[in-house]
Amino acid sequence: DGGITQSPKYLFRKEGQNVTLSCEQNLNHDAMYWYRQDPGQGLRLIYYSQIVNDFQKGDIAEGYSVSREKKESFPLTVTSAQKNPTAFYLCASSIGLPRGNTIYFGEGSWLTVV
Amino acid sequence: AQKITQTQPGMFVQEKEAVTLDCTYDTSDPSYGLFWYKQPSSGEMIFLIYQGSYDQQNATEGRYSLNFQKARKSANLVISASQLGDSAMYFCAMREPGGFKTIFGAGTRLFVKA
Repeated sequence: DGGITQSPKYLFRKEGQNVTLSCEQNLNHDAMYWYRQDPGQGLRLIYYSQIVNDFQKGDIAEGYSVSREKKESFPLTVTSAQKNPTAFYLCASSIGLPRGNTIYFGEGSWLTVV
Repeated sequence: AQKITQTQPGMFVQEKEAVTLDCTYDTSDPSYGLFWYKQPSSGEMIFLIYQGSYDQQNATEGRYSLNFQKARKSANLVISASQLGDSAMYFCAMREPGGFKTIFGAGTRLFVKA
């Protein structure tokens, strides 16, 4: 089945450590995104990528890094510079028009810093 | 700057009744897309419905319809014949001009009562 796969579902990290969240899609979508969601709040854009080897910062990129070496993959690294990394992270991808660049999401990854 | 506002933090509805979730938006661009997503307690974001700014008719998808009032900049979601499984968070979103960034409102939590 086509879809967006995020791993791991749950991740615990010690303070000062970097951690990488995986995101893979087999929908042949060009654009991919990473959002962060804090409890009871909406989604905030971290990074997005329109094509391979290109990505742009979103609204809260500080303390995060990404790469887009393959069309199918868009991993997110949460670095030790991110001051409050405990959150729910959602990866997404989008098709082109005429569906208006609807974003489709993976199931998310819960990151907890202990 | 573009903005999405959802003023209802929580809503209750009786099973089998209809419910309207409010969403207003702000943009100065004539071309944009509006979306609604459902987020159950498991966390995944499920795409429900899309409305383009130039669409003449209100979008409908099964029990979901979007009440699009362009002059008032509102895009309310109407759920008909509510079911217990409709209990979830609902997010209104807008695709920014250029098509690759989507911004989200803070969400409305819907509770369906038996």
